Amino acid sequence: AQSVTQPDIHITVSEGASLELRCNYSYGATPYLFWYVQSPGQGLQLLLKYFSGDTLVQGIKGFEAEFKRSQSSFNLRKPSVHWSDAAEYFCAVGNLINTGTASKLTFGTGTRLQVTL
Amino acid sequence: GAVVSQHPSRVICKSGTSVKIECRSLDFQATTMFWYRQFPKQSLMLMATSNEGSKATYEQGVEKDKFLINHASLTLSTLTVTSAHPEDSSFYICSASIQGIGEAFFGQGTRLTVV
Repeated sequence: AQSVTQPDIHITVSEGASLELRCNYSYGATPYLFWYVQSPGQGLQLLLKYFSGDTLVQGIKGFEAEFKRSQSSFNLRKPSVHWSDAAEYFCAVGNLINTGTASKLTFGTGTRLQVTL
Repeated sequence: GAVVSQHPSRVICKSGTSVKIECRSLDFQATTMFWYRQFPKQSLMLMATSNEGSKATYEQGVEKDKFLINHASLTLSTLTVTSAHPEDSSFYICSASIQGIGEAFFGQGTRLTVV
């Protein structure tokens, strides 16, 4: 069964500092990996995704993530955090069916990011 | 493009009543729709997967008679929480997938409070 582990429940960083959120996955086949951000009471916004190819993927809002198959990891990074980045971040793994159609996702437990000024 | 709309965004209902949540794909036809539930400060758990015109596939432990899913068209899926109780209070989020697109698109979620 597929699973996602986000070991950090809560992270606090200063504005302008760099950020790395950890994500480890367990998946029997080729993983399709996602990072989402959720503001309080809101839905999910996709930050970036990895399907294949270059293992360093760029996303929106200055985020990037690196897929490391040997470590089963897909960590999210940002070189300089802004106060508006404070939110909940979810890593997810899924698969594709029927010629590349997205299927259900398994989410990690999330990491709450707090940004201090 | 690829906008998914959920309605209502918030609902409060009395214990014992039923409440319906709609999930619409506004500018595309959804191959499949997914319903997730999120408890406070927790992750999203898949409840069920639905395809237009067929019965939903429920995840283990989800009561299909309590959480009724109808997927009558390629742009609309509904989740009805029947005989709601306070423990059903939660944040419900739907997502929709498009044939050949590897990303599913999420609605903004519905906060259900049962009093």
